[in-house]
Amino acid sequence: AQSVTQLGSHVSVSEGALVLLRCNYSSSVPPYLFWYVQYPNQGLQLLLKYTSAATLVKGINGFEAEFKKSETSFHLTKPSAHMSDAAEYFCAVSDPGNTPLVFGKGTRLSVIA
Amino acid sequence: EPEVTQTPSHQVTQMGQEVILRCVPISNHLYFYWYRQILGQKVEFLVSFYNNEISEKSEIFDDQFSVERPDGSNFTLKIRSTKLEDSAMYFCASSEPKVLYGYTFGSGTRLTVV
Repeated sequence: AQSVTQLGSHVSVSEGALVLLRCNYSSSVPPYLFWYVQYPNQGLQLLLKYTSAATLVKGINGFEAEFKKSETSFHLTKPSAHMSDAAEYFCAVSDPGNTPLVFGKGTRLSVIA
Repeated sequence: EPEVTQTPSHQVTQMGQEVILRCVPISNHLYFYWYRQILGQKVEFLVSFYNNEISEKSEIFDDQFSVERPDGSNFTLKIRSTKLEDSAMYFCASSEPKVLYGYTFGSGTRLTVV
């Protein structure tokens, strides 16, 4: 069964600093991997996804993530944090057999002016 | 851009009462899902629905829960007799046939059981 581990329930960065949110997965087959963002009192918005094409995936709002099979990781990065990036970020995994998405516990990102 | 619509946005109900949460998925999507998020906790899968039947369900989705697609557009989650621990944000999602396109989530219904 798939599972996702997000290291750090809360990450705080200064405005303009690098954002790094960590995600490690466990899957018996090459997975599909996703990052979702949840702004306060809103639903889940897809940021980016990995589906076995390019290992470096670019998403919306300047975010990107790199699939590293050897490390079973799919960390989310952004070179320069903006105040509007403050939100909850969820990593999710699914196998290509159409099993439901399994989410990590989420990481709350705070951006300090 | 197409959206998944959920109503109501917030519902308060008394313990033991039945509630129905409503969702309108994206029209050309074929898979439908309910997830829930208890305050401060992870997003948990409840059930998936395809071709007018449940395709998969989690341990959380016990006999108190049911889903239905009563017409060509709505997708509902019914909780027969609510408990305090059912208080959570409930998210509906839909997807195209292949999960590689990701799910589109609605904005959620916050259910408060008192």
